[in-house]
Amino acid sequence: GIQVEQSPPDLILQEGANSTLRCNFSDSVNNLQWFHQNPWGQLINLFYIPSGTKQNGRLSATTVATERYSLLYISSSQTTDSGVYFCAVEIQGAQKLVFGQGTRLTINP
Amino acid sequence: DTGVSQDPRHKITKRGQNVTFRCDPISEHNRLYWYRQTLGQGPEFLTYFQNEAQLEKSRLLSDRFSAERPKGSFSTLEIQRTEQGDSAMYLCASSPKRLAGGADTQYFGPGTRLTVL
Repeated sequence: GIQVEQSPPDLILQEGANSTLRCNFSDSVNNLQWFHQNPWGQLINLFYIPSGTKQNGRLSATTVATERYSLLYISSSQTTDSGVYFCAVEIQGAQKLVFGQGTRLTINP
Repeated sequence: DTGVSQDPRHKITKRGQNVTFRCDPISEHNRLYWYRQTLGQGPEFLTYFQNEAQLEKSRLLSDRFSAERPKGSFSTLEIQRTEQGDSAMYLCASSPKRLAGGADTQYFGPGTRLTVL
């Protein structure tokens, strides 16, 4: 099956710093989503981005489908950005998301 | 639209007991998914429904697990004879009707955290 690898596994930053999270996947996909999992376990949708670039406030994401990777950028980090960020992909016809192992982001005040 | 809801949010049970979880998807979403997440891991797919039809089941879904979506609205996930290895977060998601071969955003509920003692 498709492999999804996220890097780095852990990232510790000071408030105000910028960060880049990476997601590599091993096959062509027709769905790619980025999620933020809060301390209570809720998966919060950040982006639906099978290709191209999107921005939402301090967050932006880029997926280069032909090279099988996606990047999530967080600018001017705040302590509330802390948590685990997951990338998940769906291959055509599979009808299910396959998740990476996540990146645990800690923003210190 | 209040999003995907799940009940209960937490469940503590003793090994060997049966438990049932409920998921209410976003209204008019015809696809409903169940995932399981263990500590330190990403969620893993269990099963999905299109309307009331269960179209795919993961090998993770042993014969002690059963899921239903009787009227194509809410869904239940039952675990019989629970084992300590069943302790996990059980997540439900829904997505709207798709064009053939297409994909769409999956929206997740808050999850049910199961602890088997």
